[in-house]
Amino acid sequence: DSGVTQTPKHLITATGQRVTLRCSPRSGDLSVYWYQQSLDQGLQFLIQYYNGEERAKGNILERFSAQQFPDLHSELNLSSLELGDSALYFCASSVVASGGKNEQFFGPGTRLTVL
Amino acid sequence: TQLLEQSPQFLSIQEGENLTVYCNSSSVFSSLQWYRQEPGEGPVLLVTVVTGGEVKKLKRLTFQFGDARKDSSLHITAAQPGDTGLYLCAGKNSGYALNFGKGTSLLVTP
Repeated sequence: DSGVTQTPKHLITATGQRVTLRCSPRSGDLSVYWYQQSLDQGLQFLIQYYNGEERAKGNILERFSAQQFPDLHSELNLSSLELGDSALYFCASSVVASGGKNEQFFGPGTRLTVL
Repeated sequence: TQLLEQSPQFLSIQEGENLTVYCNSSSVFSSLQWYRQEPGEGPVLLVTVVTGGEVKKLKRLTFQFGDARKDSSLHITAAQPGDTGLYLCAGKNSGYALNFGKGTSLLVTP
């Protein structure tokens, strides 16, 4: 158990819909990262928040957005869903924002299926 | 474009065999991490290497960071079925994010 929690575990929805994925980082970690994992692309970095502020953006679509709340939990919002958005979405957390080893600890993921 | 190339993509061996998987890049990384991921679960951090030429051992697993900090290898001695999983390498450069390879899927059969 990494200490990172994600809900829900599974999510099935239809094209055009909007969903929210939730993540709680390990106790003491200030950074939260969101990743998308698909069979053909592997693990792709989407976005990072550190202590409530956006710190880095990766391959995140404009239809996707995220935020980190004062209690440090984070939410990833996916809207106007398309079939290609079906994937595993992981949240990871770490102590530091950058520098050092930046060892990240991953949650169990949310499997999103868009029908 | 994948910054990190992992090989082989798939590997199926019998219990007791040795194996090596590779992680290569044209980029220099300040650190490199190896993760193992089992189906339906998140990646689990195995090790972080920081110094060029560094070798770290974790029981039957030996990790090496290339001298130029562009590549790494993972060697497993006497593989066991419990080693089955997806092995991912991830490199960190000056930015915040980790750059992941697509992984090596290892199957160890009894």
